[in-house]
Amino acid sequence: QARLVQSGAEVKEPGASVKVSCKASGYTFTGHYMHWVRQAPGQGLEWMGIINPTGRRRWYEEKFQGRVTLTRDTSTSTDYMELTSLRSDDTAVYYCARDSSRWFGANQGWWFDPWGQGTLVTVSS
Amino acid sequence: SSELTQDPAVSVALGQTVRITCQGDILRTYCATWYQQKPGQAPVLVMYGKNNRPSGIPDRFSGSSSGNTASLTITGAQAEDDADYYCNSRAGSVDRWVFGGGTKLTVL
Repeated sequence: QARLVQSGAEVKEPGASVKVSCKASGYTFTGHYMHWVRQAPGQGLEWMGIINPTGRRRWYEEKFQGRVTLTRDTSTSTDYMELTSLRSDDTAVYYCARDSSRWFGANQGWWFDPWGQGTLVTVSS
Repeated sequence: SSELTQDPAVSVALGQTVRITCQGDILRTYCATWYQQKPGQAPVLVMYGKNNRPSGIPDRFSGSSSGNTASLTITGAQAEDDADYYCNSRAGSVDRWVFGGGTKLTVL
């Protein structure tokens, strides 16, 4: 079945960059968009952005514009999320999650499934 | 508004029924999706569309929606349902998604 495996935990200093990978298996990689979501310690889920199946288009949450870049390598079925100019409040678990959608009567719905296991990024001097 | 509002905490006695709600104007247009998250684990999809359960999710979980409110109902709550629950939806016509603040469900 579909599975997403993320890269390991990272510790970074303020001002540095981090790049998290998300390798997909068990489904047609180029048939789905991919979302990225983060969760700060003790906090809720925060949507960061989405990349389209070819990797040519991305959309980012406004607060991350200019600092986040999503990329995709279709040859290895791997997505990447790079966050630059790291601050202490970027300390969080970062998740990738596969997008699916369809119409339910007159309403369209999207769902994120599966999720990667999460990658803890710690920003500390 | 494109935001989603959830009660921060709800409790239910073992075996009883509990409803977790999510409010937002965008739910008049788009379906809500529900995720369960236990400590130290990634979120898990439990409900999507109008009332669709992924395989492996017990049938005690059901979903509904009316106006600007979506609900996740657990009929006969079990100890293993003790978790955080998040609603999620597309946030309008732009390509942006939003999560509710989450509801911590305690099964007593």
